[in-house]
Amino acid sequence: SAVISQKPSRDICQRGTSLTIQCQVDSQVTMMFWYRQQPGQSLTLIATANQGSEATYESGFVIDKFPISRPNLTFSTLTVSNMSPEDSSIYLCSVGLQGAKGEKLFFGSGTQLSVL
Amino acid sequence: LAKTTQPISMDSYEGQEVNITCSHNNIATNDYITWYQQFPSQGPRFIIQGYKTKVTNEVASLFIPADRKSSTLSLPRVSLSDTAVYYCLVGDTGRRALTFGSGTRLQVQP
Repeated sequence: SAVISQKPSRDICQRGTSLTIQCQVDSQVTMMFWYRQQPGQSLTLIATANQGSEATYESGFVIDKFPISRPNLTFSTLTVSNMSPEDSSIYLCSVGLQGAKGEKLFFGSGTQLSVL
Repeated sequence: LAKTTQPISMDSYEGQEVNITCSHNNIATNDYITWYQQFPSQGPRFIIQGYKTKVTNEVASLFIPADRKSSTLSLPRVSLSDTAVYYCLVGDTGRRALTFGSGTRLQVQP
């Protein structure tokens, strides 16, 4: 298993500002994922972050808006840039670990972001 | 990636067995089936994973028919604390992140 620490746990931000979310894992992992979950909705994948390479973004998400860093195998950051109220959501960091029967995802507790 | 279809919501009472079925008609040969549970204000939590037939652990059972085009998560004797959203995911090991479907919102009543 993996223990994921994500911070901040919540924040209230002003329109036009940026927020950087940090994700720390207690073991080295190859792939880290960033998800967004809007109120009452399912999780939407923003991007996949591999150490040493550019993050891979899903359709509808761009690097200028959601820059990601992955400096080592235990840490990643997601920045939400030039925020608007539409960015109010929960942002979740996740890692995938390969087990004997398949890959399992482990999640941080999320960052609840409110943009005024 | 295989698309999954689940009921949007289910209601149950304490002590009952709950079965949540997920359809994944275009599952690939290498795909595993994994179920996650999510409580409010928390990230999803792994429940159970399987490839075929039946898998059981301390919290749930997973039934997968021979054609693997569906799977059923079985929660025995649910309690109020089982009220959560349950997600069925299908994907291959080592591939890009698994895609979450809409999930099933289970409400357990006293």
